This record gives sequence, C-alpha cells and structure tokens, in this order.
Amino acid sequence: SAVISQKPSRDICQRGTSLTIQCQVDSQVTMMFWYRQQPGQSLTLIATANQGSEATYESGFVIDKFPISRPNLTFSTLTVSNMSPEDSSIYLCSVSSGVGSYNEQFFGPGTRLTVL
Amino acid sequence: QQQVKQSPQSLIVQKGGISIINCAYENTAFDYFPWYQQFPGKGPALLIAIRPDVSEKKEGRFTISFNKSAKQFSLHIMDSQPGDSATYFCAALMEYGNKLVFGAGTILRVKS
Repeated sequence: SAVISQKPSRDICQRGTSLTIQCQVDSQVTMMFWYRQQPGQSLTLIATANQGSEATYESGFVIDKFPISRPNLTFSTLTVSNMSPEDSSIYLCSVSSGVGSYNEQFFGPGTRLTVL
Repeated sequence: QQQVKQSPQSLIVQKGGISIINCAYENTAFDYFPWYQQFPGKGPALLIAIRPDVSEKKEGRFTISFNKSAKQFSLHIMDSQPGDSATYFCAALMEYGNKLVFGAGTILRVKS
C-alpha cells in the first residue's frame, strides 16, 4: 500500500484564521480524498480531490470553506478557512489506486486541529 | 439509504475471547465492504474487506461474515488480544463509486 504523510500532524489555531493541510503520497495514485473525523465520531467525506480540476464536494461542504488543490498525482492540500471551534476535528487524507468497486482506500495519519 | 448502522457502540472482551461487531445496510448498490481499525492518534488502517459474492472471508484471526439477503455483515476477532483494543469501523462502497460510507464505530477493549 502507498505511504501517506500529512503535515502538520496537529495544530492549535485561533478563531477566524485559516490552516492548510498537506497530503503527500509516495507513489502516483488515481484518487485522493479528504475526510473529517469529529471528536469521538465516525469519518465523513468532505470532498474528492481531482487532479487538474475543481474538487467534488459532498453535501454540507463548500469550496469557500474547504478549498482543495491537487496539482499532481501525489500531492493535495486542504485549507480550512475562517475557522471556528466547530472545525476542531481530525482531518484525514485517503488515497485509492483506481475508480469504482474493490479499490482499497488507505488513510494518512491525520491532522488534529484544535480551534480556540 | 446511504447509512451503515454499526453495533455495539463499545465492547469489552476478555483476552482469548471472540469479539463480534455487526453492521447493516439498506442500499443494495453497495458492493464492497471494508473494515478499518483505528488506534488513538492514528489514521484508520484497512483490516479486511469482502465483496457480496462471498459469504465469508478470513485473514488470520479476523473473519468477515456476510449475509447478502439480510444486508448484514460482521467482523469476528478470534482469540482477542489486548493489542486488538482499538476503534473498529465498518464501511461500504457503491459499485462504480468512490465514496466510502462509514458506520459509527465500535470501541473494543480487550482485558488481559
């Protein structure tokens, strides 16, 4: 499986600021995704990061709040904009080698964000 | 119909015992069912996965049982060990889709 790294691993931010999270994969992958895991909760898909085009957002998530970039097949960024305490969560990058069924998704270690 | 319902919310098992976690789904378009294991401070790790054309898949001490007619699947951890203490998530993926839908998670504690 691909080795996935995320930066930063954790951060404490002030309300109203923005944070950009990086996801780096050690090999080219077809699909990259961003998830949110609120404290003690399950994982919720924020968006699919598309290489060379705008990300595809899930219901309840918008580009102005969570802008995403994917300049190539091994790297993506997620920005959490104008943060509030409700944005305190773990943000996870995941990757998949293909499109459709039976394509395993692997997760990075996550970025633990606390907003004061 | 997008939901995957997971139970129990938490589970305590004695060392050497069998841990059983259950999941159910409604959407028959789901056709890939992975289980993830997550330790505190870590990202979820893919543990084992099954497709609906088989009723059981075993990898070491971990077994998935799948009941297509009942739209249910379960994870069995045989000879549970303290190192298995973690949160377990079931998930489902739709055919030709990319969105994993996760269950709520089960916190497993194996007592030594």
